[in-house]
Amino acid sequence: SQQGEEDPQALSIQEGENATMNCSYKTSINNLQWYRQNSGRGLVHLILIRSNEREKHSGRLRVTLDTSKKSSSLLITASRAADTASYFCATGPDTGRRALTFGSGTRLQVQP
Amino acid sequence: EPEVTQTPSHQVTQMGQEVILRCVPISNHLYFYWYRQILGQKVEFLVSFYNNEISEKSEIFDDQFSVERPDGSNFTLKIRSTKLEDSAMYFCASTYRQGPANTEAFFGQGTRLTVV
Repeated sequence: SQQGEEDPQALSIQEGENATMNCSYKTSINNLQWYRQNSGRGLVHLILIRSNEREKHSGRLRVTLDTSKKSSSLLITASRAADTASYFCATGPDTGRRALTFGSGTRLQVQP
Repeated sequence: EPEVTQTPSHQVTQMGQEVILRCVPISNHLYFYWYRQILGQKVEFLVSFYNNEISEKSEIFDDQFSVERPDGSNFTLKIRSTKLEDSAMYFCASTYRQGPANTEAFFGQGTRLTVV
């Protein structure tokens, strides 16, 4: 698999439920970022977690990072219909190329 | 809130034609990027630009592509002779410091390029 693979590929939940998305990566990273993309629109930065951090919160978002397993999770609590979007993880390498490497994304559908 | 703006939002062009995609990065940002996303696929890095030169590029960024910062505000991506497979959403991004180490990237809304 390639750098930055999310699972599940698609997730459908009811409003009020929590949504958990996972991301795995292969190489060493400086940081991992999560982005949101509404259908056909731009990428919106949600949260950045550095390689020396294990957990980070921002509003209803909670991100964890396990560098030993090369994985991260994004938890959206108390989801709303407006959270419906695709969510991508992106890794920032610690050496070599400095650009972000994106995963293939999780499509989240929150049913009202 | 500052934002990256891209124009046009949608461009249709004939195969073999040249296209120029335009971006206005956030004003105090120093590093600029182009990414693309073919429909249904991952967002892929094309090129990064700093201090008026390319700092890195991917395998996708071949001789058909070029970037320029013609003035103090615009950042452009030119595709010299478009191919059908160039059809994609093209995103411009900027960061204040050399990203993505330590800093988030701000993305524009994208230009949807359709080559017919």
